This record gives sequence, C-alpha cells and structure tokens, in this order.
Amino acid sequence: TQLLEQSPQFLSIQEGENLTVYCNSSSVFSSLQWYRQEPGEGPVLLVTVVTGGEVKKLKRLTFQFGDARKDSSLHITAAQPGDTGLYLCAGEMTTDSWGKFQFGAGTQVVVTP
Amino acid sequence: ETGVTQTPRHLVMGMTNKKSLKCEQHLGHNAMYWYKQSAKKPLELMFVYSLEERVENNSVPSRFSPECPNSSHLFLHLHTLQPEDSALYLCASSRGAVSYEQYFGPGTRLTVT
Repeated sequence: TQLLEQSPQFLSIQEGENLTVYCNSSSVFSSLQWYRQEPGEGPVLLVTVVTGGEVKKLKRLTFQFGDARKDSSLHITAAQPGDTGLYLCAGEMTTDSWGKFQFGAGTQVVVTP
Repeated sequence: ETGVTQTPRHLVMGMTNKKSLKCEQHLGHNAMYWYKQSAKKPLELMFVYSLEERVENNSVPSRFSPECPNSSHLFLHLHTLQPEDSALYLCASSRGAVSYEQYFGPGTRLTVT
C-alpha cells in the first residue's frame, strides 16, 4: 500500500503555463518535503513544510501543506523548460521511528519551449 | 569534492558476482541512508545509519549488506543478486539522526544480468 499518492503521474505543458501537482495521504505527517530529480541525478530538496496550512514560496514555486497535515500541493507559475523533472514528495510519519520517511512515486513534469 | 558522491555511477553484474557500491559525504553529516529507486515506484528506504550505527533495516534481503566504517562513508555490498534488483541505488545523508532534510548522491544505476 502506497502511503503517499502523487497526481498526476505525468504532466506535459508548454512554457509559460501554470501547473499544480498533488501529494495526498490518509496519514498525518509531522513534516513533508518536496524534491526535484533530474535524469541521471539524485533528488534535490526544494522545501520542507511542517505546520498545517503553511504556504512557502520559492521564486515561481508555491508549496502548501494541508490543514490536517495529510496532503500538500506544489504550484508552478509560468513554467520554464528548466522546471522539467520528477517531482517527489516525502513525508515523515508521526508515529514511525525517526529517520524513516515515505516517498511518493513522483510526478514527471515536462515543460516544452 | 562537495556534497554526496557515489561510485560507480553504472554497474552491470551477473547473478553470481560480488560487488560493492560506495558513498561518501563531504557535508559533515551524522546520518546516512541507502535507497532503492525502481521505475514508477516510490523510493524504498533500505538502511539508515546514525553515527555509524545501523538504526533501520527495512526487511531488505540478506544479499544486500551495508557497511558504515565512519560517518563519511557508506558501502552496500552485493552478492548473488536477482534481475529484479536492477534499479537506481541512491545514497543520502542528513545533518542529524532525526533530520528529514536529506542530501542525495547521483546514484548508481545497477543492472543484474
């Protein structure tokens, strides 16, 4: 059973368009991270959210943590080809042992010029 | 070198071979992790080491054997692998044992023939 469901699995858009990807779970997380992974590389941490309802902005990327800390979204404004990559969410369980994290399967985003 | 490095970047091995993957972190972190990444599946946490002590073992088959000689180095010893073990193996590190902000290496692409 996959604890973190990411949707959509694949998203292809034109440069300049906006997009939103989602990360949902029935479990509560004490924190949630978003990573971006490019081909041939490991994931790179983009942001960590810890408070229910929290919104963080990183240039054109806006991250939101759900009030109940069970879901999160990533919104990209005016996407650029450099935003292409696999976006992964990861959650730290509240009841699990420390150091153990659950990852989603990812959303593959392709931004074409 | 900076960050987290992994060698080799690519490895092809037969089912009867023995090989080792190496990871080195230059960040002064105290915890290190091994993950398995298969296509369209969530990252699977395999092992966690904190201050050179193994603190997590996620029911990984014994044909995978980790070793952490010091806080900067992590190895994954492989023997008698199966074709389904073919995947990208990622190493990560974090500042503290309870840290959810992990820094990943580029991975080793393993193919078992």
